[in-house]
Amino acid sequence: ETGVTQTPRHLVMGMTNKKSLKCEQHLGHNAMYWYKQSAKKPLELMFVYNFKEQTENNSVPSRFSPECPNSSHLFLHLHTLQPEDSALYLCASSQEDRNGNTIYFGEGSWLTVV
Amino acid sequence: QKEVEQDPGPLSVPEGAIVSLNCTYSNSAFQYFMWYRQYSRKGPELLMYTYSSGNKEDGRFTAQVDKSSKYISLFIRDSQPSDSATYLCAMSETGGGNKLTFGTGTQLKVEL
Repeated sequence: ETGVTQTPRHLVMGMTNKKSLKCEQHLGHNAMYWYKQSAKKPLELMFVYNFKEQTENNSVPSRFSPECPNSSHLFLHLHTLQPEDSALYLCASSQEDRNGNTIYFGEGSWLTVV
Repeated sequence: QKEVEQDPGPLSVPEGAIVSLNCTYSNSAFQYFMWYRQYSRKGPELLMYTYSSGNKEDGRFTAQVDKSSKYISLFIRDSQPSDSATYLCAMSETGGGNKLTFGTGTQLKVEL
């Protein structure tokens, strides 16, 4: 149990489908993140939310749409994805403070786009 | 040149061996250094967290940072098959969660 829970763990979707990934953190943190992990590549930061406000969007295509209704929940809405979007999508959270911090990841959602 | 370089492996060692995993980096402003362990089909798990140069030990694991050489290491003593995983290094200037730069990960296999 990592304190960050992601659902679903596995998802297969067609290019015309609409689906959502869900993340919930039980650590009392004030920041949440979406990362993409593809084979042989470093983790790619997609979105950052601090106190449920989006503070960073790393040039992510609009077919990925995040939503953060409160500081404990984060969604990633998916629509008209491409096969190259197949990857492990990781949610993470952290407590932002002046003394440095690090992030804690969920187990990830394995996405396959067919 | 990548900001963080990490040999992808795979690295295969016998049980009980001492394992050395390494990352080099180019940004001299990095001050916070982390190691994550990622089992197959799981999310990364924080293993070690260090600030600035020096060593930090936790059980069988030792993290070492040499800022002058821009080089960090993770040592695993008495390696076990359960240590078989991918090890990711990560680092940042300010410690902020949104400013982490990750390596690609080194795959480690500890064999019986």
